[in-house]
Amino acid sequence: GAGVSQSPSNKVTEKGKDVELRCDPISGHTALYWYRQSLGQGLEFLIYFQGNSAPDKSGLPSDRFSAERTGGSVSTLTIQRTQQEDSAVYLCASSLGATSGNTGELFFGEGSRLTVL
Amino acid sequence: AQSVTQPDIHITVSEGASLELRCNYSYGATPYLFWYVQSPGQGLQLLLKYFSGDTLVQGIKGFEAEFKRSQSSFNLRKPSVHWSDAAEYFCAVGQVKTSYDKVIFGPGTSLSVIP
Repeated sequence: GAGVSQSPSNKVTEKGKDVELRCDPISGHTALYWYRQSLGQGLEFLIYFQGNSAPDKSGLPSDRFSAERTGGSVSTLTIQRTQQEDSAVYLCASSLGATSGNTGELFFGEGSRLTVL
Repeated sequence: AQSVTQPDIHITVSEGASLELRCNYSYGATPYLFWYVQSPGQGLQLLLKYFSGDTLVQGIKGFEAEFKRSQSSFNLRKPSVHWSDAAEYFCAVGQVKTSYDKVIFGPGTSLSVIP
């Protein structure tokens, strides 16, 4: 598609359940980012991919969070044993990545709103 | 480690008034700097960016920003605010290394516009 696509747009789950959030980046974008935005908060960096590799996982809040990217395209963010504090909007962005002339501009999806009851 | 601060959590201005949103960053090398806007119910959109050259950059919707290395600042300005500018504004700093790049966002400034 023309833009970054995220699914589901809304997810309500019970505490303790696992959830998967999907991101489909812009075609040709080698870099992919996950951010978390809690109510009234800024964008918290979670993880970054260059191709299928994740050089920087420093933002993942705990070992309940994991992410993978396959084929240099679609990425999945998985949260295991969800807690109420995981409730937030999870934003995905893509960019050209480490290519000549890239200035790092990110293109964002609409986000996946996660509510943990 | 890179970091971004936006000292003003919330700003209210009257329509037609001038606007300046502050941004300070911490980074060991020449940064790439961005301003993004998030309107209610909408995704994040790039307003403008700086990566080299002229320190005064022009963006969309009549916004501009000035990079001041000596002050580690990248403040956003607009001479006359419109009601449609009410939104959340995020400053961001990026780094480009040989193998990857990473973008860190500030906490955001919420802008309200009084008609």
